Amino acid sequence: QVELVESGGGVVQPGRSLRLSCTASGFIFRTYAMHWVRQAPGKGLEWVAVLSYDGGNQYYADSVRGRFSISRDNSKNTVYLQMNRLSAEDTAVYYCARGGSYYFFDFWGLGTLVTVSS
Amino acid sequence: QSALTQPASVSGSPGQSITISCTGSSSDVGTYNLVSWYQQHPGQAPKLIIYETTKRPSGISNRFSGSKSGNTASLTLSGLQPEDEADYYCCSFATGSTWVFGGGTKLTVL
Repeated sequence: QVELVESGGGVVQPGRSLRLSCTASGFIFRTYAMHWVRQAPGKGLEWVAVLSYDGGNQYYADSVRGRFSISRDNSKNTVYLQMNRLSAEDTAVYYCARGGSYYFFDFWGLGTLVTVSS
Repeated sequence: QSALTQPASVSGSPGQSITISCTGSSSDVGTYNLVSWYQQHPGQAPKLIIYETTKRPSGISNRFSGSKSGNTASLTLSGLQPEDEADYYCCSFATGSTWVFGGGTKLTVL
């Protein structure tokens, strides 16, 4: 069965960096695009970034472009989200999600909480 | 990347039908038949219930159906059951190869 497990969340000071990981199993990872979606406490979902199956194409939400970077290691079945210059507005549960046929999110992890606070 | 517009809340009694609207623009919902819907119970990850505007994933009840007219997509849930009480989010692919979510709708089963 498809499983996505996020890790790397925690408490970080404003302006600092953090790298999230999402390890996949139960499917052929190298054939799927992967997304990151976040949810601030008590708020709705916000799409963050996508990376194509081969790592050749990446796109970002305006709110994170230039600060966040998505990458993957298909040999490790893992997708990453490097988050730089973090601010309080980045506080959220970060989910990784598989891109079913690229355009929707067919499987989700349980999420990892990132709290940006001094 | 403006959020899609959903009603904050809807409610219905068991057995009834409800519809949740999701209004976007010509940059997203109006141009692409790539609207998806997600159900999220408290403390849980979202779950895909509709993709490509009208299609249901395997294992999703046929009580869920999706449609679209112009810039507005809709999710209809028929035969309401207590376990349907959850938050529902629409999402659309948008120009610039980005995705935009709606603000979410809380469904209460009375």
